[in-house]
This record gives sequence, C-alpha cells and structure tokens, in this order.
Amino acid sequence: AQSVTQLGSHVSVSEGALVLLRCNYSSSVPPYLFWYVQYPNQGLQLLLKYTTGATLVKGINGFEAEFKKSETSFHLTKPSAHMSDAAEYFCAVRAALIYNQGGKLIFGQGTELSVKP
Amino acid sequence: DTAVSQTPKYLVTQMGNDKSIKCEQNLGHDTMYWYKQDSKKFLKIMFSYNNKELIINETVPNRFSPKSPDKAHLNLHINSLELGDSAVYFCASSQVASGGRDEQFFGPGTRLTVL
Repeated sequence: AQSVTQLGSHVSVSEGALVLLRCNYSSSVPPYLFWYVQYPNQGLQLLLKYTTGATLVKGINGFEAEFKKSETSFHLTKPSAHMSDAAEYFCAVRAALIYNQGGKLIFGQGTELSVKP
Repeated sequence: DTAVSQTPKYLVTQMGNDKSIKCEQNLGHDTMYWYKQDSKKFLKIMFSYNNKELIINETVPNRFSPKSPDKAHLNLHINSLELGDSAVYFCASSQVASGGRDEQFFGPGTRLTVL
C-alpha cells in the first residue's frame, strides 16, 4: 500500500523567505510523485512531478522538489516566497500502474502556506 | 478552452434528495476520476473509469453511482443525500495508457451542501 505524510498542516513564512513544505511517502514500488497547489475555491493545479530520471525537478512559479529515495522524501521548496504563493499544497503518490489501480492519486493531508508581508 | 469542466459549481439541497454532478474533459484522455474533499481538505479517490469501464470503486456507499456515457464524460449521481455527503467533489482526467506518468487534470470542483 502507498501513503503520503505531509509534516505541518500550516506553514507561515515572510515574503521573500525560503519556502519548505515537507512530504514523505511510503511505497513498495518505485513511486511517481506529484505536488499540486489549490488556491481558495479552485481546483488543483500541478506544480511539478517526478517519475524517473533527474531527482531534482523544477516546476511552475519557481518551485522545485527533490526526490530522495533513501529518505523517502519529496520536499517542495521555493527560494523566495511571494504573497501570491499563499494556498493549500498537496503532495501525492501515484499507485502502481496495474489495471485495477487505474493510476489513482493518494494524497497527503495538505499544508496551508501563509505568506506575511 | 476549459480542460475539465464540472456543473454545477455549487449545489445546495435537502437531506433525502437525489442529485447529479456532471463532468466533461476535452483533453482526449482515457481515464476519468471522482475525488471527494472533506471539510478538513482531505482528498480521497472515489471512482475511476477507463474508456467507460469502472476500474476503481473505493468502498463508496452504493448511493453514489457514477456513469460514463463516453470517454469524455463522467457523471456522479447521488441518491438519498445525507448530511455527511457535504463536501467538494472534484472530477479529474489523465492519460493512463501512456504508463501512468501523466498528471491528472482537475476540474474546478462542485461544492455540495446538504441541509
């Protein structure tokens, strides 16, 4: 079975400060990992994804994440926070692609990011 | 052009009623999903359809019945609505046949409130 744990349900940073949102996963097969962002009253938008290859992946809006197999982690970072980054962030793992799994996403609990002026 | 659309965006109804939520994707994807987001923002898969065939049914009460008339549409019908059904329901789609690497595209959500 696969699972995702996001450490910290709420993270607050000052504008211009480093953003670090933590995600640890559990998977018995090589995982596909995703970070999604949800702005208030909107759907989910993909920030970035790791499938294979380079373990440091860059996404939209200046975010990046590093897949660390030894630590079973996929933490999301951004060097300098902007007010517009305030949102809910979800880490997700894709279940093994066998027919009856259908590629469903298993989500973490979410982390709400607040950015102070 | 909207990739994944849902109607309605808001749905307020009484306990015991029957309601439907519609979802359409214009991305040409082969797989569509329904997710439920509860009041604590936790997201959980409910159903998945691949080429109109049900492939995931995550222990959802049988009051919930998905229907996929074609690859581009996945509707969700809910009978005898209960207070606990109040949530935001998201439709999503992806191209699973490519090997599972493709992202899932999400609709804007339908906020269901049962009174």
